[in-house]
Amino acid sequence: DADVTQTPRNRITKTGKRIMLECSQTKGHDRMYWYRQDPGLGLRLIYYSFDVKDINKGEISDGYSVSRQAQAKFSLSLESAIPNQTALYFCATSEPGTTEQFFGPGTRLTVL
Amino acid sequence: RKEVEQDPGPFNVPEGATVAFNCTYSNSASQSFFWYRQDCRKEPKLLMSVYSSGNEDGRFTAQLNRASQYISLLIRDSKLSDSATYLCVVTTSGGSYIPTFGRGTSLIVHP
Repeated sequence: DADVTQTPRNRITKTGKRIMLECSQTKGHDRMYWYRQDPGLGLRLIYYSFDVKDINKGEISDGYSVSRQAQAKFSLSLESAIPNQTALYFCATSEPGTTEQFFGPGTRLTVL
Repeated sequence: RKEVEQDPGPFNVPEGATVAFNCTYSNSASQSFFWYRQDCRKEPKLLMSVYSSGNEDGRFTAQLNRASQYISLLIRDSKLSDSATYLCVVTTSGGSYIPTFGRGTSLIVHP
């Protein structure tokens, strides 16, 4: 079984809809991250969480919100999706004091 | 100027070739350096860490040049399976260990 899972894997939605992307992990890591990847732009950090009570904005948090429901779960929400949020979204985890990140398989989101 | 810069490529090489990628970083306080590999439409995975003294893992060699603020990845005897995008990753001092990813360099190894 995968250590970091993301649901859904693919989603097509319309402008203005609310969307939630979910991430779960069985690695026991405290730190979790949400990234988006666009062609030619690489991975950009949206939000990160060092533990259940710690949420931090990343490089591109506007238009997104997150919820850390438990150590193992970190959800990303788009309150009102817009077409330029069409991208590949990755969740990742890491242990404190280390930098290696373990990524989920990604969610491909298309906003029409 | 982006914090971590890479030539996007693609680098198109024949099997058996040696190929090298460089990555430059702008923050002199950067302290940890890595190469990740990402296959098409898949998640990135750690390939290797980069140490000041340089390090080797089979056909892969990573080097760090702090004075010139760049890291490199050398792949010897390229295989078809090496075709992927290679991401340079840098973390900066401050204790948070939040990494910054380069945009990636695409490698295509052909028969």
